[in-house]
Amino acid sequence: QVQLQESGPGLVKPSQTLSLSCSVSGGSISNGGYYWSWIRQHPGKGLEWIGYVHYNGRTYYNPSFKSRVTMSVDTSKNHFSLELTSVTAADTAIYYCATLPYAYFDFWGQGLPVTVSS
Amino acid sequence: EIVLTQSPGTLSLSPGDRATLSCWASQSVSSSYLAWYQQKPGLAPRLLIYGASRRATGIPDRFSGSGSGTDFTLTISRLEPEDFGVYYCQHYGTSPEVTFGPGTKVDIK
Repeated sequence: QVQLQESGPGLVKPSQTLSLSCSVSGGSISNGGYYWSWIRQHPGKGLEWIGYVHYNGRTYYNPSFKSRVTMSVDTSKNHFSLELTSVTAADTAIYYCATLPYAYFDFWGQGLPVTVSS
Repeated sequence: EIVLTQSPGTLSLSPGDRATLSCWASQSVSSSYLAWYQQKPGLAPRLLIYGASRRATGIPDRFSGSGSGTDFTLTISRLEPEDFGVYYCQHYGTSPEVTFGPGTKVDIK
């Protein structure tokens, strides 16, 4: 079964770019049956979909993020990435990567807490 | 954009009770695109139900999903101690877009 692991800085300064990676094991990121996804959760709050990327590079983003977000896939490293620009305190959250085989998220990473603060 | 509403916000029950959680969509949706998740403190969400009524791999049969159109239900037939947590419904739209409900917290009475 697929296993996912998020990595990246736990602290980012305001106005900077948040860059996270999700390492995939137990399967190939070139599996055309998956979209590779990012979801976040503000402290004590609900879930917010950020977007997803296919291994062929096709992306779909939540319109709320569209101007700030970029997702990509690195098939050589079997991982995918999230970049979120111009971060503010409102981007403080736990960031999850997950697999989307059809219309639901079946495998999730453990989550990476990210704080935006100077 | 589809908006999902869940009720109640909190459900206080005892082990052995039956739990009924509701999820309403702001407009009619295909049941193929409705899923439910369980989340416990400090952990990632876990897929319970997809396609409104199909149990995910390894999910006990005390969990069941039903509904169509705008009204969907997650039922836990007999609560076990490990079932307490927050439950989210989720819709996948054809725009495409994904939305989550605000969650229902099931806690111990």
